[in-house]
Amino acid sequence: GEDVEQSLFLSVREGDSSVINCTYTDSSSTYLYWYKQEPGAGLQLLTYIFSNMDMKQDQRLTVLLNKKDKHLSLRIADTQTGDSAIYFCAEKGEDYKLSFGAGTTVTVRA
Amino acid sequence: GAVVSQHPSWVICKSGTSVKIECRSLDFQATTMFWYRQFPKQSLMLMATSNEGSKATYEQGVEKDKFLINHASLTLSTLTVTSAHPEDSSFYICSASGERTGELFFGEGSRLTVL
Repeated sequence: GEDVEQSLFLSVREGDSSVINCTYTDSSSTYLYWYKQEPGAGLQLLTYIFSNMDMKQDQRLTVLLNKKDKHLSLRIADTQTGDSAIYFCAEKGEDYKLSFGAGTTVTVRA
Repeated sequence: GAVVSQHPSWVICKSGTSVKIECRSLDFQATTMFWYRQFPKQSLMLMATSNEGSKATYEQGVEKDKFLINHASLTLSTLTVTSAHPEDSSFYICSASGERTGELFFGEGSRLTVL
C-alpha cells in the first residue's frame, strides 16, 4: 500500500513560520492535501495541490511539492495560537483513495 | 466552500444495539462518499467507499455486515454500526468529493462510545 510519513511534533513560537514536511511513496499520486484537525473535530481542508504543480500559495499558507523526491511541505507564515492543531498530509492515488500520514501536532507557544 | 455535515456528533450506546450515523453534503451533490475511522492519536483509516445507487466498496478487513453503508441519494450516505461492541468505539468521519476536481471535504466526525 501507499505510505505517507510525517514528523509527529512541531513546536513553534508565535509569529514565526511553521514548516511541516511530508513524504509519500506513490508515484501515481494525482492530488496532495493538507488537512487541519482541532481536538474533537473533523478534518478541515486547508489546501491541495495537483501533482503537476510545484508550488501553491494561499494567504499564509505555502505548499511546496517536489515530485522527484516525493516530498510535500506546508509553510504557515506568522503562526498564531489558533494554528495549534494536528496537520495531516494525504495523497490521492489513481484509485481515488486517500492515504494519510500519521499527523503532525503543531504547538504554538507565546 | 463545500460543507459536509455529520449527525450525530457524538453518541453513547449500550453494547448490542445499532447506531446510525448520517453524512450529508449540504450545498453540492456527491456521487461518492468515503467513511473513515480514527483511533485516538492516530491517522484515519478508510473503511469503505460509498457510491450513490450501488453497493459500497469495503476495504480489506472491514466487516460489511457490521458496518452497513447506504447511499440512497446524492446528498446523503449513512453508516450503521450493527450490534455495536466496546471495540467499535471510535471517531467516524465521512468525506465527499466537491464539485471542483481534486476537492475533498470532511464532515465534523461522529464519536461513538459503546458501553
